[in-house]
Amino acid sequence: EAGVAQSPRYKIIEKRQSVAFWCNPISGHATLYWYQQILGQGPKLLIQFQNNGVVDDSQLPKDRFSAERLKGVDSTLKIQPAKLEDSAVYLCASSQAAAVGYTFGSGTRLTVV
Amino acid sequence: QKEVEQNSGPLSVPEGAIASLNCTYSDRGSQSFFWYRQYSGKSPELIMFIYSNGDKEDGRFTAQLNKASQYVSLLIRDSQPSDSATYLCAVMEYGNKLVFGAGTILRVKS
Repeated sequence: EAGVAQSPRYKIIEKRQSVAFWCNPISGHATLYWYQQILGQGPKLLIQFQNNGVVDDSQLPKDRFSAERLKGVDSTLKIQPAKLEDSAVYLCASSQAAAVGYTFGSGTRLTVV
Repeated sequence: QKEVEQNSGPLSVPEGAIASLNCTYSDRGSQSFFWYRQYSGKSPELIMFIYSNGDKEDGRFTAQLNKASQYVSLLIRDSQPSDSATYLCAVMEYGNKLVFGAGTILRVKS
């Protein structure tokens, strides 16, 4: 079974620029999550999709972050404009049955300078 | 949001010893609990999950759950240097969302 694919692996941008991250979940996994992990902290949920609908985006800073999941498969997370405090690893995860946990992708490490 | 607390460590154990990692959670209604391992620079990988009070064993790993005390632990027997990583405790919230603790750094010394 192929894993969760994410790209790019690394991104360095200047503050106030925009950036986008892409995620392709495991085939057949209906639920997709985006997490933010700041160095030294645990992952924090940004947004949860079920198929192509948003289930929970209560912790997504909507003034600068947006996400979509077209056709219930791939997803894109965008930040515009970026701030220094957005420097983190952005993890995508998917699950078929959340009761047995998620599978994470390799993440995108974002550095905002 | 519900809270998950872990001692940040680092926890240092000699090779071959038992490593004990602990986690407490704030939501008494939580029903399922997960342990993830995260190597430096890598993404979290699921080690095991537990739903019922008591112990659950999988190879060298044992998860222990005490819902009355709101306490979850992970025991690693015969610790190896390759077990050195950050261990994340996670609790499933209503709506199938995992809430993570900050993680405990484990160092196994050879």
